[in-house]
Amino acid sequence: EPEVTQTPSHQVTQMGQEVILRCVPISNHLYFYWYRQILGQKVEFLVSFYNNEISEKSEIFDDQFSVERPDGSNFTLKIRSTKLEDSAMYFCASRRLGQPQHFGDGTRLSIL
Amino acid sequence: RKEVEQDPGPFNVPEGATVAFNCTYSNSASQSFFWYRQDCRKEPKLLMSVYSSGNEDGRFTAQLNRASQYISLLIRDSKLSDSATYLCVVNYNYGQNFVFGPGTRLSVLP
Repeated sequence: EPEVTQTPSHQVTQMGQEVILRCVPISNHLYFYWYRQILGQKVEFLVSFYNNEISEKSEIFDDQFSVERPDGSNFTLKIRSTKLEDSAMYFCASRRLGQPQHFGDGTRLSIL
Repeated sequence: RKEVEQDPGPFNVPEGATVAFNCTYSNSASQSFFWYRQDCRKEPKLLMSVYSSGNEDGRFTAQLNRASQYISLLIRDSKLSDSATYLCVVNYNYGQNFVFGPGTRLSVLP
């Protein structure tokens, strides 16, 4: 069964540095998402992406964040100037029209 | 404000028990509904979509009441492997925004 894949599984970064989280959505999916989950808290929507542009973003997704689909397969989340509170699990998801989302197994981001 | 609320839990039940989880959502314009399960430190995995007429998948039954903005999940004959956090998810804006509830943790005890 096709899967959403995310790399790396764990990223450790110094505060203030930039980090790029990578995702390869399922190949025939057209809608892409990023979520984050701070340890012990709920899954929070960050951004949705369709047709090479952002469809919707939450208040969390401020100027520090950006997304890109640089080629036909990757979907990346960039966090500029990371802060301690950016430490969380980041999940990528994708779906086809009218179908539920499928999630990758996440990247654990630790900001030191 | 778009919010999804769930039973706070945790639910500790013996094997074989029947357990029900409740979820309410605040935005009447929400369009689709799902139950996901999440194991500790893992990704959410789709358990089932929730349809207006209610639907069943084996031991799992989901119900939707749009008038009351309420969703439920019933698990019959619970197994040890059902132990997880159950997440209620509501979709707004035609698939552009999925809002997760805080989850209800279930522990099935031998």
